[in-house]
Parts: sequence; C-alpha cells; structure tokens
Amino acid sequence: AQSVTQPDIHITVSEGASLELRCNYSYGATPYLFWYVQSPGQGLQLLLKYFSGDTLVQGIKGFEAEFKRSQSSFNLRKPSVHWSDAAEYFCAVVSGGSYIPTFGRGTSLIVHP
Amino acid sequence: DAGVTQSPTHLIKTRGQQVTLRCSPKSGHDTVSWYQQALGQGPQFIFQYYEEEERQRGNFPDRFSGHQFPNYSSELNVNALLLGDSALYLCASSLAGQGEETQYFGPGTRLLVL
Repeated sequence: AQSVTQPDIHITVSEGASLELRCNYSYGATPYLFWYVQSPGQGLQLLLKYFSGDTLVQGIKGFEAEFKRSQSSFNLRKPSVHWSDAAEYFCAVVSGGSYIPTFGRGTSLIVHP
Repeated sequence: DAGVTQSPTHLIKTRGQQVTLRCSPKSGHDTVSWYQQALGQGPQFIFQYYEEEERQRGNFPDRFSGHQFPNYSSELNVNALLLGDSALYLCASSLAGQGEETQYFGPGTRLLVL
C-alpha cells in the first residue's frame, strides 16, 4: 500500500528566508505526487503536481518541488517566504489505477516577521 | 468558473443524531470524493461517487453513506453520530478519464458532535 511521510510536524522560518518541506513516499512504481496548502479553516488548494518528465516542477505562489526517485522524495521549496505562506502543507501520492490520493499528516509552517 | 462548494460551513450535532452534508462539484466535473480530516491530521478518504454510484470506498463504517445526483452534486450522510466523527469534511471533484488523479477541494464542512 502506498504511504506518505512528512517528517516535520512544524517548521518555523523568518519572513524572507528560504523554505524546504520534506515528503517521502512509499510506492513501487512512480506515483503521481502532489502538494496542497490549507489555510486555517479552509479547504485544500493545489500548489503543484508531478506526473512524469522534468523532475523539477513549478507551482503557484512561487513554490517548486523536486522529485528524486532514488530517495523516494518530493520536497517542496520556496526561495523567499512571505508571511501569507503560513499554513498547513500536505503532500499526497496517487498510485496508478485508484486515483485516490493518500495524504501525509501535514507540516505546519510558521512565519516569523 | 465555479469551484467546489459545500454546505453548511459549520454544524453542531449531538451523539446518536444523523447529519447530511452537501457538495457541488467544480463546473465540468463529474466525480465527487469525500474525505474526513480530523484535527492535526491529513484528509482520510471516505468514498467516491461517479455516475450516481459509489465507485470506491475507504475504511469507514456503513454509518457513512452517500449519494450522487444527476447534476453530479453529492451528499454525505452520517448516522448514529459518535464524538469521534467531529472533523472537517472535505469534498473534492474531478473529471473521469481526463486528469481524474487531480482533485479540487471545497472549503469543507466543520462538524462538531457533542
């Protein structure tokens, strides 16, 4: 069965600093990979997704993620964090056939001024 | 382009009661999935509806049931509510056969069971 691990429950960064949120997945073949963001009391917004091809994918709001097959990772990055980026971030994996995402438990991003 | 909408936004029920949550998919989408998100957790898949039939189901008891209407909107029903059913219930929509692996989420309904 597929699984997703987000090892960091909380991440604190200063505004303007760079950010990297970690995501590791467990699945035999190359899955579809997603990052979603959830602001307090809100639903999930899709930031970016990886299906195949270029392993560095660009998303909305200045985010990018890199797929590394050898490490089974799909880490999310942003070069300069804004206070409005404070939210919960979820990594998700979809294996072929089911089209149902399995989510990690999320990483809460705190941004200090 | 209307996104996924859900109603109500908040709901308070007592143990043993029944609740119905509603979802309208993103314009052009025909598949609706429901998720339960407990506090501090990621969303957990409940079930998915397509062509008015339950197509897939997660590990949830039969107290959780649903329906999809001809206009693709959907309802989630939960019977005999337990305290542990308190959560944010998310609806997501997708288009079968065309990028259905990508789901678009609504704002959710927050259910509190007392």
